[in-house]
Amino acid sequence: DVKVTQSSRYLVKRTGEKVFLECVQDMDHENMFWYRQDPGLGLRLIYFSYDVKMKEKGDIPEGYSVSREKKERFSLILESASTNQTSMYLCASSLRRRAGGPRGETQYFGPGTRLLVL
Amino acid sequence: GENVEQHPSTLSVQEGDSAVIKCTYSDSASNYFPWYKQELGKRPQLIIDIRSNVGEKKDQRIAVTLNKTAKHFSLHITETQPEDSAVYFCAAGFKTIFGAGTRLFVKA
Repeated sequence: DVKVTQSSRYLVKRTGEKVFLECVQDMDHENMFWYRQDPGLGLRLIYFSYDVKMKEKGDIPEGYSVSREKKERFSLILESASTNQTSMYLCASSLRRRAGGPRGETQYFGPGTRLLVL
Repeated sequence: GENVEQHPSTLSVQEGDSAVIKCTYSDSASNYFPWYKQELGKRPQLIIDIRSNVGEKKDQRIAVTLNKTAKHFSLHITETQPEDSAVYFCAAGFKTIFGAGTRLFVKA
């Protein structure tokens, strides 16, 4: 059973603080994703990583950075938190599609971190 | 960039009726099209997916159809039940871009 965990369920930070959100998966998935979820806007991709130390920007990377030093862990960093980054942050992981092999690309989501920036 | 549009944003049906949610995508290289269900306060979970070499897939009361030429795919829920009430998301593209979601209400 795939397990994706996030370091905090709720977080309150001040404007200008550096914020770290951690995500860990235990299924040896190559792909990991960070989304933010806001009412009416769905799940918007911030960054994703398809291997250790590899990353690609999503639709809304501004104000965020990521780190993937180990396969199981993907960190989202808000360099200087702002009030418009108040949101629900969801992490997900999936297997990388391989030719001739398992083709599952199902994403497994963490429980989410609700971040409030004051 | 890649784009996924989803309609309608809200859908209200009577219990027992069918519900249809539609998505269009821009990335013609997309070959995997999942649908996720998110119940209130919970994380999204996959309910059905389809690959580009298949036109239709069914799993009990839910089905997905894909038209690659027109670049759209749809979720069909038959005999809706109150527990189907949730937000549904489609997704497509190499980066797995999600639609904005459809809030489905099933009235008993």
